[in-house]
Amino acid sequence: GDSVTQMEGPVTLSEEAFLTINCTYTATGYPSLFWYVQYPGEGLQLLLKATKADDKGSNKGFEATYRKETTSFHLEKGSVQVSDSAVYFCALRLNTGGFKTIFGAGTRLFVKA
Amino acid sequence: KAGVTQTPRYLIKTRGQQVTLSCSPISGHRSVSWYQQTPGQGLQFLFEYFSETQRNKGNFPGRFSGRQFSNSRSEMNVSTLELGDSALYLCASSLDPGATNEKLFFGSGTQLSVL
Repeated sequence: GDSVTQMEGPVTLSEEAFLTINCTYTATGYPSLFWYVQYPGEGLQLLLKATKADDKGSNKGFEATYRKETTSFHLEKGSVQVSDSAVYFCALRLNTGGFKTIFGAGTRLFVKA
Repeated sequence: KAGVTQTPRYLIKTRGQQVTLSCSPISGHRSVSWYQQTPGQGLQFLFEYFSETQRNKGNFPGRFSGRQFSNSRSEMNVSTLELGDSALYLCASSLDPGATNEKLFFGSGTQLSVL
């Protein structure tokens, strides 16, 4: 079935370190791909998205590229800040006779000052 | 513009009871979807509604049901509660239901505890 697998956390980094959170997917159709973020005490919100192969989504210094050949959508940021501490969810959305969004299990990121 | 509103914020129930959760989408949004969030399983898709019709359903038992009203507000119901139903239930709305690249707007959720 359709699924999203992302690296387990928690991930702990020092400020200004490079971040990669891996995400791979399995889908029966051609999905759109998303990263959502949940900051402490806040609701889930969209971070970035990509709708077709080789598209790059970007926002707040984060980037992810839709790689159809490897069915991946890894999240990267060159220099993390303490304020990036949150839970990150990779997700896909597709139409299988009805729309649905499938999320990964989430990766908790802690950034130390 | 008001965001997605979920009520109640917290619920405590006992095994065997039933519960109804409510979600009011952003004004103008016609699609509502529901998710169960638990520490071990992450977010799991429950169902999605558009124009009062359930368009898709996740892999949950029949005890989980939902509906959408003509004003796009939605409710989900869980009957015969089990301990494992304890979770944060999130509702999301979207503007254009006819696109896979549609962004979801989430509510703050209803935290359900089953004792």
